Amino acid sequence: EPEVTQTPSHQVTQMGQEVILRCVPISNHLYFYWYRQILGQKVEFLVSFYNNEISEKSEIFDDQFSVERPDGSNFTLKIRSTKLEDSAMYFCASSVTANQPQHFGDGTRLSIL
Amino acid sequence: AQRVTQPEKLLSVFKGAPVELKCNYSYSGSPELFWYVQYSRQRLQLLLRHISRESIKGFTADLNKGETSFHLKKPFAQEEDSAMYYCALSPGGGTSYGKLTFGQGTILTVHP
Repeated sequence: EPEVTQTPSHQVTQMGQEVILRCVPISNHLYFYWYRQILGQKVEFLVSFYNNEISEKSEIFDDQFSVERPDGSNFTLKIRSTKLEDSAMYFCASSVTANQPQHFGDGTRLSIL
Repeated sequence: AQRVTQPEKLLSVFKGAPVELKCNYSYSGSPELFWYVQYSRQRLQLLLRHISRESIKGFTADLNKGETSFHLKKPFAQEEDSAMYYCALSPGGGTSYGKLTFGQGTILTVHP
């Protein structure tokens, strides 16, 4: 069964550095999402992406965040200047259409030092 | 604003006992409700969605609009049901389709 894949599984970065989290959505899916989960807290929506543009974003998704689909397969989340509070598990998800179930990746654990 | 509440962080039952994981939501429109499950060291997986009205792995959930609830139930719990369960809401229709709002999750432990 096809899966959403995320790399790396764990990223350790110094505060203030840029980080790029990578996702390969399921190949026939058209809608892509990023969520994050701070340790001990709930999974929170960050952004949805369709047709090469952001369709919705949350208050968390400020100017330090950006998403990109640089080629036909990857979907990336960039954090420009990381802060300690960006430490979290970041999940990528994709769906065929906006009203079909989302399939999640295993997540990337981001640790900011 | 939309909100999902799972009042129980931890729930323990014995094998064969009935189990109910509670979920309440707050949303002004007609949302779509989901249950996602995360088994140990595995990814989040969709368990069921309210519009499907199906039973998956013996679990059912009924949307009660009057009580704004979407509780997950299973009449006879099995040890392999032990996992983290998340209730999630997606706004129905319009431009917000797709965004999921999650509850805090309930860790279900089924003892032998």
